[in-house]
Amino acid sequence: GDSVTQMEGPVTLSEEAFLTINCTYTATGYPSLFWYVQYPGEGLQLLLKATKADDKGSNKGFEATYRKETTSFHLEKGSVQVSDSAVYFCALGGTGNQFYFGTGTSLTVIP
Amino acid sequence: EAQVTQNPRYLITVTGKKLTVTCSQNMNHEYMSWYRQDPGLGLRQIYYSMNVEVTDKGDVPEGYKVSRKEKRNFPLILESPSPNQTSLYFCASSHRAAGDTQYFGPGTRLTVL
Repeated sequence: GDSVTQMEGPVTLSEEAFLTINCTYTATGYPSLFWYVQYPGEGLQLLLKATKADDKGSNKGFEATYRKETTSFHLEKGSVQVSDSAVYFCALGGTGNQFYFGTGTSLTVIP
Repeated sequence: EAQVTQNPRYLITVTGKKLTVTCSQNMNHEYMSWYRQDPGLGLRQIYYSMNVEVTDKGDVPEGYKVSRKEKRNFPLILESPSPNQTSLYFCASSHRAAGDTQYFGPGTRLTVL
């Protein structure tokens, strides 16, 4: 069945460092791919999405490109801030109408 | 304001005592779903609904029931809760399907003693 595999955490970075969180997926058909973010004590918010191959989602300086050839949707940000400290989830909206999350990657950014 | 609401936000109960967690959305969304979040496991889908009177199992449906009698509401029912159902639960909705952006409620933290 469909699934998402996400880079294990936790990740600790200094402010202004480059961030990459790896995400790969397994799916039949052509799923939509998402990154959600969960700030401490809060629910999940959509960070960005891509609905077809080669689409690039972007928001708040974060980017991810839907790569069908490598079945990947890695999250990147060029310069992280303390306010980016959160848990990041890669997710897949399958053509079978189920929704799958990765296990989450906790990011801490230190000043 | 467009939103998904859940109640209660926190609940402590005992094994075997039936409970219902309510979920409501005001966006006229067709797709609604429930997830549980556990450390190291991420979020796992319990049940989802494509529309009124249409529900289907997700990855972890055992011990849960749902109903979708109205478009806006999607309650989660635990008929006989057990300690392994202690978790953080999220309700979500989207326009039509799993491929659309999911909008999440604030979560319900359930403890079963």
